[in-house]
Amino acid sequence: EVQLVESGGGLVQPGGSLRLSCTASGFSFTSSAMSWVRQAPGKGLEWVSSISGSGATADYADSVKGRFTISRDKSKNTVYLEMNSLTVEETAIYFCAKNPEYFGPNWLESWGQGTLVTVSS
Amino acid sequence: DIQMTQSPSSLSASVGDRVTITCRASQGIRNYVAWFQQKPGKAPKCLIYGASSLQNGVPSTFRGSGSGTDFTLTISSLQPEDFATYYCQQYDSYPLTFGGGTKVEIK
Repeated sequence: EVQLVESGGGLVQPGGSLRLSCTASGFSFTSSAMSWVRQAPGKGLEWVSSISGSGATADYADSVKGRFTISRDKSKNTVYLEMNSLTVEETAIYFCAKNPEYFGPNWLESWGQGTLVTVSS
Repeated sequence: DIQMTQSPSSLSASVGDRVTITCRASQGIRNYVAWFQQKPGKAPKCLIYGASSLQNGVPSTFRGSGSGTDFTLTISSLQPEDFATYYCQQYDSYPLTFGGGTKVEIK
């Protein structure tokens, strides 16, 4: 059974930084691209970033490009999202999701439970 | 970026009703659409991918159709556990984009 467990959320001041983690189990980690999607309170879903199975390729939403970095560690079966220069508008639940294939844009077949990031002074 | 326009934004229906939700893409995206169900406080759950392929374990009361720019999610007979918010997602190209959501409420 696929399991994705996010952690690292919390309260951060505007302009601050945070690193989210997503630990995966139940599938071949390096065979799947992974993604982060966020959802502001009471709002819809917004794709943030995806990384290929090898970690060689990453894509980002324009809204986070240059400030967020996605990475993965195959020895820990973990995907990370490093977030810098956070704004209050980025307060959201951040979900980790598994793509069905190794590379490229795809649907998000399995999701973690999410971790809440609150940006506030 | 490809915009996904989903309608309606909300609807009220009764158990046993047939429900249809539509998504229109701002450009042709072949059949690269997925549909998700989200219940309050929970993560989204993938129901359909490839516009019409049912994800494992999803009841056959859910059906997806369409290609190009127009897509439909149909629930043939609404069950109590189906009251939720539904989203479409395109994966023809990055950035991945979602529709605005359809909240299905009890009439």
